[in-house]
Amino acid sequence: DSGVTQTPKHLITATGQRVTLRCSPRSGDLSVYWYQQSLDQGLQFLIQYYNGEERAKGNILERFSAQQFPDLHSELNLSSLELGDSALYFCASSVGGRDEQYFGPGTRLTVT
Amino acid sequence: AQSVAQPEDQVNVAEGNPLTVKCTYSVSGNPYLFWYVQYPNRGLQFLLKYITGDNLVKGSYGFEAEFNKSQTSFHLKKPSALVSDSALYFCAVRDLARAGNMLTFGGGTRLMVKP
Repeated sequence: DSGVTQTPKHLITATGQRVTLRCSPRSGDLSVYWYQQSLDQGLQFLIQYYNGEERAKGNILERFSAQQFPDLHSELNLSSLELGDSALYFCASSVGGRDEQYFGPGTRLTVT
Repeated sequence: AQSVAQPEDQVNVAEGNPLTVKCTYSVSGNPYLFWYVQYPNRGLQFLLKYITGDNLVKGSYGFEAEFNKSQTSFHLKKPSALVSDSALYFCAVRDLARAGNMLTFGGGTRLMVKP
């Protein structure tokens, strides 16, 4: 158990809908990261927050957004969902901005 | 742009034999390098990292990795494989020339250890 928690574990929704994925980092970790894992694209970095501020952005679609709250938990919002958004979404956390990242168990999103 | 290549989709090894999972990388600056393992229906578990210093780094579960700057490689090794090592292994790199701590992952290598 990495200490990173993600909810929900599974999510099934229809095209065009909006969902919110939630992540709680390990105790003491200030950085939160979001990654998407799919069969065709592999593991891709989406976005990083450090102590509430956006620090780095990857291949995150404009339909997706994230934020980190004062208690350091983070949410990833996915809107206007398409079939191709079906994937495993991982949250990770690290103490600072240079350390190894610890991954949560993931949220499996299925868009039908 | 930073990139990672894992040239083998799958590596098969007999239990008790040494194993190597290959990784090469490309970055514009100095790299931080990582290995992670993923078991079915689980998140990624951190195995080891190279930041600086000794080119041979030791990690969890008896794994080690050798950093080779001239060959831009960071191969994962274990002297004696166990059936329980069967899993999906990912190499990742962070380019110190870029802001943030984003990791770029390779495509993954499935390790199958047969009894």
